Amino acid sequence: AQSVTQPDIHITVSEGASLELRCNYSYGATPYLFWYVQSPGQGLQLLLKYFSGDTLVQGIKGFEAEFKRSQSSFNLRKPSVHWSDAAEYFCAVGAYGNKLVFGAGTILRVKS
Amino acid sequence: GAVVSQHPSWVICKSGTSVKIECRSLDFQATTMFWYRQFPKQSLMLMATSNEGSKATYEQGVEKDKFLINHASLTLSTLTVTSAHPEDSSFYICSAREGLAGVNEQFFGPGTRLTVL
Repeated sequence: AQSVTQPDIHITVSEGASLELRCNYSYGATPYLFWYVQSPGQGLQLLLKYFSGDTLVQGIKGFEAEFKRSQSSFNLRKPSVHWSDAAEYFCAVGAYGNKLVFGAGTILRVKS
Repeated sequence: GAVVSQHPSWVICKSGTSVKIECRSLDFQATTMFWYRQFPKQSLMLMATSNEGSKATYEQGVEKDKFLINHASLTLSTLTVTSAHPEDSSFYICSAREGLAGVNEQFFGPGTRLTVL
């Protein structure tokens, strides 16, 4: 069965610093991978997705993610974090029936 | 485009009453809608998948008689929590999928906070 692991529950970075959020997945075939962001009390907003092709995917708000099949990873990166990026980030993998399986999430705190 | 709304955004009810939550796709036809439940500081857990005009498919462990899902049109799905109890208090999020959308692609609503007293 598909699963997603986000090993970091909380991450704190300084404003302007670079960011990398880790995501590892378990899936037998070529995965469809997603990163979502959730602000407190809000729904999820899609940051980016990987279906096929170029393994470096650009998303909204300056985020990017790199698919590495050999490591079963899809880490999210941003070169310079802004205070408004503070939120919870979820990695997800597509499953049968167009379902999504989510990781546990990583809470990002940005310190000024 | 691809906007999904939920109503209400929050609701407080007494134990034993039923609560209906609406999920609407505003600018596209949603052939499939999903209902998730999210406990504080936890991830989203899929409760059920509903296809327009069909009975919902519930995930293992989800009581279908407790969480009634109706997907009567291509733009509206409802989740009714029947005889709600405090343990049903949670954040409920719906998502919708357009028929021709990319595989697994879903658009999420803003969520509904349910508090059962």
